[in-house]
Amino acid sequence: NAGVTQTPKFQVLKTGQSMTLQCAQDMNHNSMYWYRQDPGMGLRLIYYSASEGTTDKGEVPNGYNVSRLNKREFSLRLESAAPSQTSVYFCASITGPSGETQYFGPGTRLLVL
Amino acid sequence: GENVEQHPSTLSVQEGDSAVIKCTYSDSASNYFPWYKQELGKGPQLIIDIRSNVGEKKDQRIAVTLNKTAKHFSLHITETQPEDSAVYFCAASKGYSSASKIIFGSGTRLSIRP
Repeated sequence: NAGVTQTPKFQVLKTGQSMTLQCAQDMNHNSMYWYRQDPGMGLRLIYYSASEGTTDKGEVPNGYNVSRLNKREFSLRLESAAPSQTSVYFCASITGPSGETQYFGPGTRLLVL
Repeated sequence: GENVEQHPSTLSVQEGDSAVIKCTYSDSASNYFPWYKQELGKGPQLIIDIRSNVGEKKDQRIAVTLNKTAKHFSLHITETQPEDSAVYFCAASKGYSSASKIIFGSGTRLSIRP
């Protein structure tokens, strides 16, 4: 199993450009999550998908959209990137009998100029 | 809403000594407390977790304690080794039905001095 994979690993954008961050998991997990990680602020939830076909806002959803393409894939889109969106983005999925253990991807480092 | 405070933000210990990281949470309904280790350039990885019906849990050199009354929980690493150097995050949640609300602390950068 590859676990949780993310592409790209690193991206530089200019203000106003758009891009989609891709995430896929091969563990047959139902729930998937997008977080951003900024220095000194831990991980903050952007959007999550409790199951295929559903998505909900997290703590910091403004400026982002998501698509749960199928059970495996959960993408994050920036329609018009802003410097404030410079961050490291992590995708995660949940497993376990009580569904609480999160597995994280390796992250996408995004720089918006 | 739920808030998780984590201290210290940085910690340096001599190899072989113990390291302790502390977290407090605000929502008394929280019942699941995982700890994650994040190595440079990688995503966080679960190292240990504890549920509210347990006061302490141990796994080899790492242990976690929970004080529900005081709403704080701690990570203890004994006999520290160079490979323990990483950023550690605590988190709190109300369980699977509220999996969306896993709240993370701000992280502790642990450095092990040789």
